[in-house]
Amino acid sequence: DIVMTQTPLSLSVTPGQPASISCKSSESLLHSDGRTYLYWYLQKPGQPPHLLIYEVSNRFSGVTDRFSGSGSGTDFTLKISRVEAEDVGVYYCMQSIQLPFTFGPGTKVDIK
Amino acid sequence: QLQLQESGPGLVKPSETLSLTCTVSGGSISSSSYYWGWIRQPPGKGLEWIGTIYYSGSTHCDPSLKSRVAVSVDTSNNQFSLKLSSVTAADTGVYYCARQRVENWGLFDYWGQGILVTVSS
Repeated sequence: DIVMTQTPLSLSVTPGQPASISCKSSESLLHSDGRTYLYWYLQKPGQPPHLLIYEVSNRFSGVTDRFSGSGSGTDFTLKISRVEAEDVGVYYCMQSIQLPFTFGPGTKVDIK
Repeated sequence: QLQLQESGPGLVKPSETLSLTCTVSGGSISSSSYYWGWIRQPPGKGLEWIGTIYYSGSTHCDPSLKSRVAVSVDTSNNQFSLKLSSVTAADTGVYYCARQRVENWGLFDYWGQGILVTVSS
């Protein structure tokens, strides 16, 4: 199985300040079709996860442009340009290049 | 607006079979554009993919669970189901159903609210 790791595991951010989460995979997520199958999901407290970013850097429908994704191969980053109170929750990266789909352990973001 | 709703027993005894159903409303489970998946979350822990099914009945499941898991689809009732046999306390958690895009099956775009299943005698 592809192992996904995230750092940090928790992050406390002052509103208006940026935040960054790193995700690393144990194998390259670059497929032979040229696409890289790395996603970011946010799970707000008491809610199911919802999709933020797909294929490394594509914001899902309705996701604010304060969120951006970057990276390639095995190293990826999610950035929040200016953290707001509504951004609190646990952020998960996930891969789908190989079954089983695997998620990172999650990064818990809260507000200072 | 598409909605997914999990249903089933909230308490299952050890060694028995966990059975859940996801009812899809606001869209057809028979669409060729989507897969349908199950994901679970043990208490206080992260997300674990369980399995995925297409309306034709084609399935993909986590190999670590494969001997215990069965995912099925009922197109006439717009539902898909999960059965997990020989459960232990380690199977306790919130179980989510979700829709996945065929062209990008890591893209879970709609989720149910989740159902808490506790394995205990």
